[in-house]
Amino acid sequence: DQQVKQNSPSLSVQEGRISILNCDYTNSMFDYFLWYKKYPAEGPTFLISISSIKDKNEDGRFTVFLNKSAKHLSLHIVPSQPGDSAVYFCAVLASGAGSYQLTFGKGTKLSVIP
Amino acid sequence: EAQVTQNPRYLITVTGKKLTVTCSQNMNHEYMSWYRQDPGLGLRQIYYSMNVEVTDKGDVPEGYKVSRKEKRNFPLILESPSPNQTSLYFCASSSRGQGRNEQYFGPGTRLTVT
Repeated sequence: DQQVKQNSPSLSVQEGRISILNCDYTNSMFDYFLWYKKYPAEGPTFLISISSIKDKNEDGRFTVFLNKSAKHLSLHIVPSQPGDSAVYFCAVLASGAGSYQLTFGKGTKLSVIP
Repeated sequence: EAQVTQNPRYLITVTGKKLTVTCSQNMNHEYMSWYRQDPGLGLRQIYYSMNVEVTDKGDVPEGYKVSRKEKRNFPLILESPSPNQTSLYFCASSSRGQGRNEQYFGPGTRLTVT
């Protein structure tokens, strides 16, 4: 059973508009949530993260929102730029005693149209 | 330059021929991990290591072995590769407790088993 779900395999957005990528998780014990961006032929690169004790974290054009009651995470990119076109993975971290496991969603391919 | 390196980047091999994919990081990170990426399945964790001589299974460990004899190196071993291990493999490392918990990924190794 998937612990992390990204239900939209792809998303197309006009340049300058807002991109909203969504992620749902099942386990309320996760304590950290992250977004990674991946270009073809490269490894994923870290984008932004949020602790389970917060509900919003902002870094430039990127904002991550966490709704713990709904077990929902979203990434907002404003304004979207063509260079943002990539696959975006959300990931959840469970870091209990003796464990440090990162679980990824299947990814959403974002295309920003000039 | 802080980085995670993997070798080889591309490998074509035959069923049953033992192989090792090396991973090295120069950031003195405690935590290292291996993932495989397959179409429609996202990134799945194979094995991870919390520190030297400490390793644990991820979500898809069957058919793989790892070792962590030194802090900087975390090789992935396929004792008897099979075609279903054809995939794109990523190594990652992280320093625990640095506040952001992001993992740094290598560039990937594309493995084909015929």
